[in-house]
Amino acid sequence: EPEVTQTPSHQVTQMGQEVILRCVPISNHLYFYWYRQILGQKVEFLVSFYNNEISEKSEIFDDQFSVERPDGSNFTLKIRSTKLEDSAMYFCASSESQPQHFGDGTRLSIL
Amino acid sequence: AQKVTQAQTEISVVEKEDVTLDCVYETRDTTYYLFWYKQPPSGELVFLIRRNSFDEQNEISGRYSWNFQKSTSSFNFTITASQVVDSAVYFCALRANSKLTFGKGITLSVRP
Repeated sequence: EPEVTQTPSHQVTQMGQEVILRCVPISNHLYFYWYRQILGQKVEFLVSFYNNEISEKSEIFDDQFSVERPDGSNFTLKIRSTKLEDSAMYFCASSESQPQHFGDGTRLSIL
Repeated sequence: AQKVTQAQTEISVVEKEDVTLDCVYETRDTTYYLFWYKQPPSGELVFLIRRNSFDEQNEISGRYSWNFQKSTSSFNFTITASQVVDSAVYFCALRANSKLTFGKGITLSVRP
């Protein structure tokens, strides 16, 4: 069964550094998403992406965040200058319509 | 604005017991979708079930069943004959536009 693939599984970064989280959505899916889950808390929506542009974003998704689909297969989330509070599990998801299928997540640890 | 409330935080049952996980939602949209996702200890999010707002027929899928009541804005999920492998955090989620709004999750522990 096709899967959403995320790399790396765990990323450790110094505060203030830039980080790029990578995702390969399911190949025939058109809608892409990023969510985050701070340890022990609920999953929160960050951004949705369709037709090469952001379709919706949350208040969490401020100017330090950006998304890109650099080629036909990858979907990336960049955090420009990481803060301690960015430490979380970041989930990529994709969908054709419903439901959204999630990757296994990237655990981001900011030191 | 969308909101999902999972009032239960932790449930512990003995294997083979039935368990129902509650979910109440709020939305002003007339068309929306409701989901249950499972997050096992390994951390991934696994899609379980989906319901459309215009279809209140309740169904059973294997050991899973759900009770969608639009009148009370509830979307409860039942696991029949629970197993140890069902131990996980279960999230109810609502989609009214492009994003999913999740509840806080219920930690289910199934003891042998």
